[in-house]
Amino acid sequence: EVQLLESGGGLVQPGGSLTLSCAASGFTFGTYVMTWVRQAPGKGLEWVSSITGTGGTTYYADSVKGRFTLSRDNSKNTLYLQMNGLRVEDTALYYCAKDGTTGFYFDYWGQGTLVTVSS
Amino acid sequence: DIQMTQSPSTLSASVGDRVTITCRASQSISTSLAWYQQKPGKAPKFLINQASNIESGVPSRFSGSGSGTEFTVTISSLQPDDFATYYCQQYNNYPFTFGGGTKVEIK
Repeated sequence: EVQLLESGGGLVQPGGSLTLSCAASGFTFGTYVMTWVRQAPGKGLEWVSSITGTGGTTYYADSVKGRFTLSRDNSKNTLYLQMNGLRVEDTALYYCAKDGTTGFYFDYWGQGTLVTVSS
Repeated sequence: DIQMTQSPSTLSASVGDRVTITCRASQSISTSLAWYQQKPGKAPKFLINQASNIESGVPSRFSGSGSGTEFTVTISSLQPDDFATYYCQQYNNYPFTFGGGTKVEIK
């Protein structure tokens, strides 16, 4: 059974930093693209960042480019999102998601970790 | 960036109704489209990929169609468990983008 467990969310002041983690199990982690999707309170879904299975290539939404860094440790089956220069508009529930086998859709999702940016 | 527009934003329906949600892309995305269902307080659930491929375990009352710029998801006979918000997502090009969502509520 595929499981994705996010952690690391919390309350941070504007300009601060947080690192989110996503522990994966139930599938061959290193062979799949992994992604973070966020959802601001009461709003829709927003793709944030994706990373290839080897970790060699990363993709970012313009809204986070230059501030967020996505990485993975395939020996630990864990995905990381380093978030710097946090803004109030980054406040959201951050979901870790596994990409599908035949395309960049998201077939499994974690339960999310809440990031609140506020002074 | 490719813009995804869903309609309607809210849909009121009764159990047993046939329901169709539309998703339009600002440029052609071939069939690189997925649909998700989200219930309050829960993570999204993957339903359909490649515009019409139903995920294993998803009830057969769900179907998807379309290509290019216009797509639909249809629930043939709405059940109580189907009241939720539905999102489309294009994965033809980065940045991947979602529609704004369609909330299916009880009439």
